[in-house]
Amino acid sequence: GESVGLHLPTLSVQEGDNSIINCAYSNSASDYFIWYKQESGKGPQFIIDIRSNMDKRQGQRVTVLLNKTVKHLSLQIAATQPGDSAVYFCAEDSVSGGYNKLIFGAGTRLAVHP
Amino acid sequence: ETGVTQSPTHLIKTRGQQVTLRCSSQSGHNTVSWYQQALGQGPQFIFQYYREEENGRGNFPPRFSGLQFPNYSSELNVNALELDDSALYLCASSLGRGGTEAFFGQGTRLTVV
Repeated sequence: GESVGLHLPTLSVQEGDNSIINCAYSNSASDYFIWYKQESGKGPQFIIDIRSNMDKRQGQRVTVLLNKTVKHLSLQIAATQPGDSAVYFCAEDSVSGGYNKLIFGAGTRLAVHP
Repeated sequence: ETGVTQSPTHLIKTRGQQVTLRCSSQSGHNTVSWYQQALGQGPQFIFQYYREEENGRGNFPPRFSGLQFPNYSSELNVNALELDDSALYLCASSLGRGGTEAFFGQGTRLTVV
């Protein structure tokens, strides 16, 4: 069935290190993916998106990589800061029955240590 | 901060009661989607409204219903509340029915006792 999953439930990094959060998706027909950051008690915050006609997209301190061959996404955060501590979700924009819905994985918790 | 606002932020209800949650979409966005997020899990799609009509629905029973108004704001109604309905309810607005950025509100934390 449809699924978007994450390889690691928790990632601990030192402040200043680079972080990599991975995600696998199952629907090879999906053509739009989004990474969200969710802090405690808040709604998901849009970080970056990528369409299937790209394999890399960069934002401010973040890069998303898409490997369609193995249906894999990753989010790279450069120079991780304490404010980056949160749960990160990848979401797949799935088209079914004439409408789109986001399918989320369970999330990866990123803990940044000083 | 997104332009999506939800009310109330927290709510406690008794099993069997009914609840209405509200969402104001970001200016210019005509699509609202509702998600349920249980503790420690990712959001699950409930349904989507586009131009005042339900456009798609996830695996939720009919006691979950909604409305979208001409100004594109939306309501989520849940009847006959069950303990398992306790969750964070999220509203997301977007322009069009999909394939574009979706922005979430801060959510309504519903506790059913």
